[in-house]
Amino acid sequence: GAVVSQHPSRVICKSGTSVKIECRSLDFQATTMFWYRQFPKKSLMLMATSNEGSKATYEQGVEKDKFLINHASLTLSTLTVTSAHPEDSSFYICSASDTGLAGGFTDTQYFGPGTRLTVL
Amino acid sequence: SQQGEEDPQALSIQEGENATMNCSYKTSINNLQWYRQNSGRGLVHLILIRSNEREKHSGRLRVTLDTSKKSSSLLITASRAADTASYFCATTGGGNKLTFGTGTQLKVEL
Repeated sequence: GAVVSQHPSRVICKSGTSVKIECRSLDFQATTMFWYRQFPKKSLMLMATSNEGSKATYEQGVEKDKFLINHASLTLSTLTVTSAHPEDSSFYICSASDTGLAGGFTDTQYFGPGTRLTVL
Repeated sequence: SQQGEEDPQALSIQEGENATMNCSYKTSINNLQWYRQNSGRGLVHLILIRSNEREKHSGRLRVTLDTSKKSSSLLITASRAADTASYFCATTGGGNKLTFGTGTQLKVEL
């Protein structure tokens, strides 16, 4: 159980285009999803927290107009990198917290397999 | 911001040996978790230890937590080549937002 998928797994795009990455919780409802960015051989940097039905909360230094997040349902959150540039090239990973049997959140986050974005 | 520091940054051992990784953090926590990441993949949750716990076991994994020193260790016993991966500690404070450490790259050689 607790599987999170991401699509696409890999995307190459031209500078100036927009790219949408999907994050889905397959067998549980995720009230909260998280988006991370990871540079090669580095740790994960939290970009934003996405709550179903409300606006995302962005971490300091993350441009919300650059990285658009939508969490339209309890199983889907999307990250759109707008007007992508080569410096946006990175590994983007989402995670989801399930609501738990009693309805509250659990402490464990389940991670997607990541999306490798390359902007030419 | 990243609040966890992991030590060592890289570790290379022979199969069958034990691997120990350490994590230090800066602020009060509710719990600390360890994750594994294979190259170019997502993270796999390994174990969670709460702030009122001192030690926890799961299979070949042993995690300790010392809140007075703000540190944790992950011990992998009888390592296997398949354990080769990056290992990250992550802490949570008041909510369920994770703050990751810098990671340890473990290589287990045959």
